[in-house]
Amino acid sequence: DAGITQSPRHKVTETGTPVTLRCHQTENHRYMYWYRQDPGHGLRLIHYSYGVKDTDKGEVSDGYSVSRSKTEDFLLTLESATSSQTSVYFCAISESGPNDEQFFGPGTRLTVL
Amino acid sequence: AQKITQTQPGMFVQEKEAVTLDCTYDTSDPSYGLFWYKQPSSGEMIFLIYQGSYDQQNATEGRYSLNFQKARKSANLVISASQLGDSAMYFCAMREGTQGGSEKLVFGKGTKLTVNP
Repeated sequence: DAGITQSPRHKVTETGTPVTLRCHQTENHRYMYWYRQDPGHGLRLIHYSYGVKDTDKGEVSDGYSVSRSKTEDFLLTLESATSSQTSVYFCAISESGPNDEQFFGPGTRLTVL
Repeated sequence: AQKITQTQPGMFVQEKEAVTLDCTYDTSDPSYGLFWYKQPSSGEMIFLIYQGSYDQQNATEGRYSLNFQKARKSANLVISASQLGDSAMYFCAMREGTQGGSEKLVFGKGTKLTVNP
């Protein structure tokens, strides 16, 4: 299994508070991604990174920011959490090889009250 | 417009039978990749199979095969000899762009497969 961890695994917070989710990889893969998964929507890309300090927006980036200061860490921040950001958040990595498969972390369940 | 369409919210199959999960896609990019992922009730996402748009043959991985019909823009997943452990959500996804360019995946909404004993 690819070495990807996410922390925390579960979090309950209140509307208006800042929240940071961490994704850590031990595979030295270049690409890292943050997705959210909601019933009826599948997985939707929030932000992704194609190298240290290189990030770009995905499909549902409003209300989220990211940072990548080291190859192994990709942080997702909700500056002021809202109830609509209650979701399961997945981090993924890929090396961009011929198969280009993405390896996913275990997910973080975030509840915003 | 939805780029990945999975028209079957739920599917049922008897153990040991084969099942086909449908996926159609929409892209004007000549270079793309198609993926299938499995998500069991435990929640993790598991990569199953990949098909590149220029691949001449349909991809196969063990009991999984991808029925790739480029002209129809379909990439159906075929699971042979279903097992109880195959019960899960299955997601089709597409990557557009040439290698080294966009690495973003767009996912369908998924199909829930239930394997009955």
